[in-house]
Amino acid sequence: DGGITQSPKYLFRKEGQNVTLSCEQNLNHDAMYWYRQDPGQGLRLIYYSQIVNDFQKGDIAEGYSVSREKKESFPLTVTSAQKNPTAFYLCASSIDGNQPQHFGDGTRLSIL
Amino acid sequence: GQQLNQSPQSMFIQEGEDVSMNCTSSSIFNTWLWYKQEPGEGPVLLIALYKAGELTSNGRLTAQFGITRKDSFLNISASIPSDVGIYFCAGQSSAGGTSYGKLTFGQGTILTVHP
Repeated sequence: DGGITQSPKYLFRKEGQNVTLSCEQNLNHDAMYWYRQDPGQGLRLIYYSQIVNDFQKGDIAEGYSVSREKKESFPLTVTSAQKNPTAFYLCASSIDGNQPQHFGDGTRLSIL
Repeated sequence: GQQLNQSPQSMFIQEGEDVSMNCTSSSIFNTWLWYKQEPGEGPVLLIALYKAGELTSNGRLTAQFGITRKDSFLNISASIPSDVGIYFCAGQSSAGGTSYGKLTFGQGTILTVHP
């Protein structure tokens, strides 16, 4: 099946730890994105990548890092510098930066 | 920066009723998108609008791209229990120079349908 796969579904982090969220797509999309969703709020862009080996900061990049070594993969690392990491994280992809984005099913990150 | 105001924030309706929600922006967008999100899942694209004044339907859903390009609305006719979820509008700018077509999301409308 074609689609966007995020893993794990639920993730727990201890204070001071880095964690990496996985996002894989087999849609052959060039562009990929990471969003953060908090209760009662719309989605906020963390990072985006229009093409392999290139990525740009979004609106709330502080405390996060990404890589785009392969077209199908765009992992997000939540570092210990992110002081309020508890949220629902959504990955999306699109054919290119001007086409509608399609989302994975998200990863819920909680702090122990 | 660009801001989207989506209203209402929540709606409680009876099965069979029609629903209307809208988004307004302080800036012009080139594309309007409507998504639905169910609990614990990612948003699913419902309708994409590409032209000012465009009216597009998807089953019981109808959405319009406002003439001023600063607003859009979504109507759901004859609601059913499975319409329950959060509906998001999103405006997209066109890529130019080094910018990609950034999506700006509304805050969402929570829809509850009573059988």
